[in-house]
Amino acid sequence: DGGITQSPKYLFRKEGQNVTLSCEQNLNHDAMYWYRQDPGQGLRLIYYSQIVNDFQKGDIAEGYSVSREKKESFPLTVTSAQKNPTAFYLCASSIGQAKPQHFGDGTRLSIL
Amino acid sequence: RKEVEQDPGPFNVPEGATVAFNCTYSNSASQSFFWYRQDCRKEPKLLMSVYSSGNEDGRFTAQLNRASQYISLLIRDSKLSDSATYLCVVPTGTASKLTFGTGTRLQVML
Repeated sequence: DGGITQSPKYLFRKEGQNVTLSCEQNLNHDAMYWYRQDPGQGLRLIYYSQIVNDFQKGDIAEGYSVSREKKESFPLTVTSAQKNPTAFYLCASSIGQAKPQHFGDGTRLSIL
Repeated sequence: RKEVEQDPGPFNVPEGATVAFNCTYSNSASQSFFWYRQDCRKEPKLLMSVYSSGNEDGRFTAQLNRASQYISLLIRDSKLSDSATYLCVVPTGTASKLTFGTGTRLQVML
């Protein structure tokens, strides 16, 4: 089955620690995205990538970093500079610009 | 005007009712629009795409009004399982990005 896989489902971060969220897709999509969703709020774009080895900042990129070394993979690192990382993180992919995005089932990150 | 704006609700309706949500957008150049459904603590799932004046899929109808810059979602014969948050999504900026509305919550009751 084609789809997007995010792992882990739940993640706990200690103060001062960097953590990496995994996102893998086998849909052969060029574009991939990371969003953050806080309780009762909408999705906010962190980073996006339209092609391998290229990515752009979204609306709330500070404290986050990404890489896109392979078409299938778009990992997100939440660095210690992100002071309020507790949220639901969603990865998505799409076939191209302005096309529907398909989501993984998310990672919930909490601070210990 | 916000890029995408939705009434947060909640819309509480009885089973079998017809309910409609509106979504306004600011980018007059947008050509495609999407409605997503998000269940509590789950990922959003694509419900419908709207590329022209409208789209119909079973009990769901989406309509686009370019002059007034809004899209609507109509749900007929509401089911309990339709209870969810409905997100309006619009391409913005260079169209590389989609902007998600904050959603309208629907609760269908017995």
